[in-house]
Amino acid sequence: DGGITQSPKYLFRKEGQNVTLSCEQNLNHDAMYWYRQDPGQGLRLIYYSQIVNDFQKGDIAEGYSVSREKKESFPLTVTSAQKNPTAFYLCASSATSGRAGEQYFGPGTRLTVT
Amino acid sequence: GQSLEQPSEVTAVEGAIVQINCTYQTSGFYGLSWYQQHDGGAPTFLSYNALDGLEETGRFSSFLSRSDSYGYLLLQELQMKDSASYFCAVRPLNRDDKIIFGKGTRLHILP
Repeated sequence: DGGITQSPKYLFRKEGQNVTLSCEQNLNHDAMYWYRQDPGQGLRLIYYSQIVNDFQKGDIAEGYSVSREKKESFPLTVTSAQKNPTAFYLCASSATSGRAGEQYFGPGTRLTVT
Repeated sequence: GQSLEQPSEVTAVEGAIVQINCTYQTSGFYGLSWYQQHDGGAPTFLSYNALDGLEETGRFSSFLSRSDSYGYLLLQELQMKDSASYFCAVRPLNRDDKIIFGKGTRLHILP
């Protein structure tokens, strides 16, 4: 079955540690995205990538970093510079040639930093 | 700037019909999409309107009027499982592949 996987589902870290969230897709999509969602809030774009070895900052990129070495993978690192890292992180992908606006989401990673 | 406005919460009764509105301010976009998100889950794609008018998919319909900068999601024959948050979204022209999401509408369904 095609889809997007994120791991782990829950992640706990101490303040000051960097942490990397995994995102893998087998949909053969060119574009991948990372969003952050806080309780009762919408989706805020952190980073996105339209093609391998290229990515752009979203609206809240500070304190985060990404890489896109393979089409299937788009890991997100939450660094110690991120002031409020506790949140629900969602990875998504879309076919750039497909219907504009249709994104497929992974199940999400809930990160708690104490 | 570019933004989408939705009501934060809507309440309806099981079996009834509910409309969730989305107004937007953007210079141009490809189309209006709707997503559903249950508590603790990921958003899932519901519908897409590239052109003005009504698109129907089972119990759900979505409408777009570009001249009024307005769209809505219509849910009929409401079921308890429809309790979720609903987000409208657009991909603006000249924004690469970035999509802008509204803040979402929490739909409460009463038995």
